[in-house]
Amino acid sequence: IQLTQSPSSLSASVGDRVTITCRASQDISSYLAWYQQKPGKAPKLLIYAASTLQSGVPSRFSGSGSGSDFTLTISGLQPEDFATYYCQRLNTSPFTFGQGTKLEIK
Amino acid sequence: VQLVESGGGLVQPGRSLRLSCAASGFNFEDFAMHWVRQAPGKGLEWVSSINWNSRSTDYADSVKGRFTISRDTAKNSLYLQMNSLRVEDTASYYCAKERGYTYGSDMDVWGKGISVTVSS
Repeated sequence: IQLTQSPSSLSASVGDRVTITCRASQDISSYLAWYQQKPGKAPKLLIYAASTLQSGVPSRFSGSGSGSDFTLTISGLQPEDFATYYCQRLNTSPFTFGQGTKLEIK
Repeated sequence: VQLVESGGGLVQPGRSLRLSCAASGFNFEDFAMHWVRQAPGKGLEWVSSINWNSRSTDYADSVKGRFTISRDTAKNSLYLQMNSLRVEDTASYYCAKERGYTYGSDMDVWGKGISVTVSS
C-alpha cells in the first residue's frame, strides 16, 4: 500500500487555514496517523485513527477521512506550525509513511 | 517517559552494527515498539516493529533478511541488529513506542534518534 501526500510543499502565512491530503492506494479504513516533524527533531504524533487529536495537541489541528482519502487541516496557522507533516498507515505491516509535506512561511 | 538510542556510528559497507534503545517511565513490557529511520534530507521510513511479547515482528522489504529486531523486558531495552550494511542504510534511526495496546498502532513517544553512517 502506497501513501501519496499532496502537496509536497506548501507556502502559507500566519493565520491561514491549510489542508494537506494523504491518499492511500487501497482502503485502509481509519488506520491512519499524522505526525509533525521540525528540523533536527523527532516526529510528534498529532492525530491518530484518522481524526482523533492526540492529547496536548492544539485544537487548531484536525483530521478527517476514511477509506483511501484523508486530510489534515490546520486552522489559524501559528509560527510554530511551520514544519514537515507525514501521514502513516497503521494496523497492518508495512506501516508505510507518506513522503511528507513541507509547510513553509510565505 | 523517555527513549534513548545508542550504538550508532560510522561503519564500512558489509559490516554489522547493533542499535539499542533504553526505555524508561512506562511499562515497557506492555507496548509494541518500532524502529523508524530517516536518510539525510529525506522522509521517514518505517524499518521494523515488534509486539509486546516478541511473538510478532515485521520488517520493511529494504531490510528484511539483514536486520533483526528484538527486545529484553528485564533490561527495558529494544534492539536492532543490522547486518550486511549498505550505503543506503545511512540514516538517523529512531526508536518509537506504540501508543495503544494493540500491535500496529500509532507511535506516541520517540527517541531523539541516533546516526548511522555506512561508508568506506
